[in-house]
Amino acid sequence: SQQGEEDPQALSIQEGENATMNCSYKTSINNLQWYRQNSGRGLVHLILIRSNEREKHSGRLRVTLDTSKKSSSLLITASRAADTASYFCATDARNYGQNFVFGPGTRLSVLP
Amino acid sequence: NAGVTQTPKFQVLKTGQSMTLQCAQDMNHEYMSWYRQDPGMGLRLIHYSVGAGITDQGEVPNGYNVSRSTTEDFPLRLLSAAPSQTSVYFCASSYAGTGARPLFGPGTRLTVT
Repeated sequence: SQQGEEDPQALSIQEGENATMNCSYKTSINNLQWYRQNSGRGLVHLILIRSNEREKHSGRLRVTLDTSKKSSSLLITASRAADTASYFCATDARNYGQNFVFGPGTRLSVLP
Repeated sequence: NAGVTQTPKFQVLKTGQSMTLQCAQDMNHEYMSWYRQDPGMGLRLIHYSVGAGITDQGEVPNGYNVSRSTTEDFPLRLLSAAPSQTSVYFCASSYAGTGARPLFGPGTRLTVT
């Protein structure tokens, strides 16, 4: 069973536009992480946000967390063609130590 | 540091064959995990280890064995490959502790015919 569920499943935007992806989860969490995966490659960690945090920034990335709604969003500002990738949220896998449960991801295409 | 390394990068097996996917890390991480990723899906946890000599099952452990004889290595064994095990396999490692950020290997793409 998957804890996190990203929305939308796919997103296509023009270069320079902002991209927003959402993640909803079912049970309470300690941490939520966002990862990027380029086609056929491994996962790259983007941001970790803890349950007592509401917002974090890293360069052009902004992550918010609303624990009351059990949701998080990832905003990529001024997108570039190189941002084309799949983006996954991952939440605590409570039954499996400190491992994480991943959603199915959002496939982002940034068109030049 | 080399980070998390996985071998092989690609593998084709026939149904019923067995093989071992290798994973190694040189960061002295306590935690190591194996995930599989099927097309269009997120990663699902197969097995994990919290330290040498300790392993535990994840969400989808059937058909796989693991062992952790050293801190550095965490091999995944497919006992009798089935087409349903066609997937991309990722190994990850991290320090112990809440909020640790797993570092992922580049993956092994396995096809079972």
